[in-house]
Amino acid sequence: EVQLVQSGAEVKKPGESLRISCKGSGYSFIGYWIGWVRQMPGKGLEWMGMIYPSDSDTRYSPSFQGQVTISADNSISTAYLQWSGLKASDTAMYYCVRHRGWLQPDYWGQGTLVTVSS
Amino acid sequence: QSALTQPASVSGSPGQSITISCTGTSSDVGGYNYVSWSQQHPGKAPKLLIYDVSYRPSGVSDRFSGSKSGNTASLTISGLQAEDEADYYCSSYTSTSIVVFGGGTKLTVL
Repeated sequence: EVQLVQSGAEVKKPGESLRISCKGSGYSFIGYWIGWVRQMPGKGLEWMGMIYPSDSDTRYSPSFQGQVTISADNSISTAYLQWSGLKASDTAMYYCVRHRGWLQPDYWGQGTLVTVSS
Repeated sequence: QSALTQPASVSGSPGQSITISCTGTSSDVGGYNYVSWSQQHPGKAPKLLIYDVSYRPSGVSDRFSGSKSGNTASLTISGLQAEDEADYYCSSYTSTSIVVFGGGTKLTVL
């Protein structure tokens, strides 16, 4: 059974750094793109970017390029989403998602709620 | 890359059929048969309903169907049930080899 299990909720202050994780199991982790999706409170899904763990090829939406960093550790089948200086506007639910053929999202993590507040 | 355009809301009565549209450009929806649809109930993670425009993953009800014409893809739900009340999102592969989502559609079952 394919599963993506994300790290727990975080509460941070503006300017702090943060890394959240997504551990894949039940499939070949290195063989599928893993993406990250933001959902701000009461809003829709926004695709942020993705990584192909096999060769660490990484692609970002123009809206998120330079704002976050996506990485992966194949030894523990885990992908990461990282911020170096959080803002209040980063407050959102973040989902990781596996991309099947031609980048269509198929399996989703349970979500990680990030709250940034002074 | 602009978000795909979906109606903000649709509604229907139990047993009826509804269709949700998803309009893009020739650089995404119109250029590839790689459109998917996901369903999201309140407080839950999204779930894949349709991929490759019209294919259902195992376990998804055949009341859900997808199609595409030109730059517009559509999701049709037949025999509407109370449990179908949720948000629905389309997504597409793009010419820049990334992904774009639609703005989402809230389905209300009257």
